[in-house]
Parts: sequence; structure tokens; C-alpha cells
Amino acid sequence: QKEVEQNSGPLSVPEGAIASLNCTYSDRGSQSFFWYRQYSGKSPELIMSIYSNGDKEDGRFTAQLNKASQYVSLLIRDSQPSDSATYLCAVNSGSNYQLIWGAGTKLIIKP
Amino acid sequence: DGGITQSPKYLFRKEGQNVTLSCEQNLNHDAMYWYRQDPGQGLRLIYYSQIVNDFQKGDIAEGYSVSREKKESFPLTVTSAQKNPTAFYLCASSLTGTRNQPQHFGDGTRLSIL
Repeated sequence: QKEVEQNSGPLSVPEGAIASLNCTYSDRGSQSFFWYRQYSGKSPELIMSIYSNGDKEDGRFTAQLNKASQYVSLLIRDSQPSDSATYLCAVNSGSNYQLIWGAGTKLIIKP
Repeated sequence: DGGITQSPKYLFRKEGQNVTLSCEQNLNHDAMYWYRQDPGQGLRLIYYSQIVNDFQKGDIAEGYSVSREKKESFPLTVTSAQKNPTAFYLCASSLTGTRNQPQHFGDGTRLSIL
């Protein structure tokens, strides 16, 4: 069974600090990794994609990928109350290209 | 504006009734997907389609049916065989069905049993 694991949280971070969200996956054939943000009652919104080892930065967001250790992380710098949401990690299956989803980490940014 | 439109936003089903959820996209995407989300759980794939007139079962297809007669439309029918249909249903699309393409979502439909 191919799995994507995330700490369910909630993860509480003070406003202005760095929030660090982690995700591990089981399928060594996975090539594409995505982070989605989901506000309560809303649909997921793509915020980052990463395909190769290392860091990828986009504004306040940095995605980090380590294929050898099978983990991907998302850092949010200068956290804002509007960043409070559930963050979903999605990893493509190496066999059929479908996305395997983690259950999400709930992030709370405290003013 | 390009996007994915799901309707209705809320839907109520009576016992023994089939209901159909609509999903339309104007992004010219080839691939479309239906997911189910239950509280505190990740998204589970119901059906997906990589091209018109072709679709594949996902992990939880029992009690559901789909069609893909047009590129822009991928309706989902929740049949009476689905005994626990209460959930948040999400339609997504991607440019192609290949591994590097991210999926983009509609606003979802909440289905409840009367």
C-alpha cells in the first residue's frame, strides 16, 4: 500500500515565525511532489510543486525534497494569520501517475 | 476566467435515489478527476479520465459512475448502491495525465443524506 504520511497537528506557530511542515512517502518511484493549502470548508489550492532534490523557493514558501530519505517539507517564512489552514502533501505514484494524498497538517498561526 | 465549476454546492439525497454532481472546466485540460474527502482524511480517488470517452476506476469506485462524453465535462453519479455518500466531493483537472502535471480543483459539492 503506497502511503503519504503527515503529522495531523495542529501545529501552532507565532506570527512572524517560520512554520515547518513535513511529509514522508513510501513509493520510491515517485517523481512529482505537491503542496496544497486547504482553508476550512474550501477546496485545495496548489501552492508549491517540486520535482528534483533540493530547495525550491516561491515568495515566503520553500519546498524541500530529499528523495533518498523519502521526505518533502514546506517552510513558511514570516507566518501570517492568513496562513492558518490545513496543508496537504500529494505525491505521484511511480506506477500509474495518480496522486497519493496525505491527510494534511492543520497549521494555526497565533497573532 | 478559466476554471473548474462544480454544481450544486450543496446536495441532499433521499434513500434509494441516484444523484448527479456536475463538473465543467474551460481550461482545455485533458485529464479530470473525482475525489471524495471525509473529515480528517486525505483525498480518495473515485474515478479519473485522461481523455474523452475513456475513464478508469480509482480506489473507491463502488457505488459511483461517471461519463466523459466531452472534454470539458466529467459528471459523477452517486448511486443508491453507495450506502455512505455523505462527504465533500471534489472535481479536479490537469493539463495531461502525466506525472508532472499538478491538479487544480473546483469549489466542491457537499452531499448529505436526508
